[in-house]
Amino acid sequence: DTGVSQDPRHKITKRGQNVTFRCDPISEHNRLYWYRQTLGQGPEFLTYFQNEAQLEKSRLLSDRFSAERPKGSFSTLEIQRTEQGDSAMYLCASSSSGELFFGEGSRLTVL
Amino acid sequence: GENVEQHPSTLSVQEGDSAVIKCTYSDSASNYFPWYKQELGKGPQLIIDIRSNVGEKKDQRIAVTLNKTAKHFSLHITETQPEDSAVYFCAASFMDSNYQLIWGAGTKLIIKP
Repeated sequence: DTGVSQDPRHKITKRGQNVTFRCDPISEHNRLYWYRQTLGQGPEFLTYFQNEAQLEKSRLLSDRFSAERPKGSFSTLEIQRTEQGDSAMYLCASSSSGELFFGEGSRLTVL
Repeated sequence: GENVEQHPSTLSVQEGDSAVIKCTYSDSASNYFPWYKQELGKGPQLIIDIRSNVGEKKDQRIAVTLNKTAKHFSLHITETQPEDSAVYFCAASFMDSNYQLIWGAGTKLIIKP
């Protein structure tokens, strides 16, 4: 297993467009997290899955954001009607217990 | 809610010297305190963690200390090397909260040759 992988690594889009990010966690990990990180800040929690169930969502996650993990394996994070304030690094992490293993992130730039 | 403050925001040390990064947390119920290292263009990577039933933990050149009474914890890196240059984040959480971490703002560590 090569760790947590995220795709795409970079995405440039125009304001108002929809974007989708994919995360493939470490295969035996049942927990999956999405975080958002802006320059000079620590990651901010967005949402958490245990298997296919979305158990927690941050208040930061507006109704334009939706995340799924349909079969308890990979996950997608979709942002609809993107705004310039959505520009950030979107990090995915997985765990079985305790330590979080992060992917290298998907950097979103909204023009 | 829980808040984690981290100092300094930037730390520059001579290669071979020690570096210390400090964090304070607000919620006395927090019981898990990891430290992550993030290199440019990469995701954070856990380097050491400590639970509230332990006061100190060491792993080679890296150590973490926890003062529950004062609600602060520190990262100590000895004999610093160029590859230690990175951004370091502290975090705090309840172990029962599905490890939803509250993060500090990060410290950029610069190792001068």
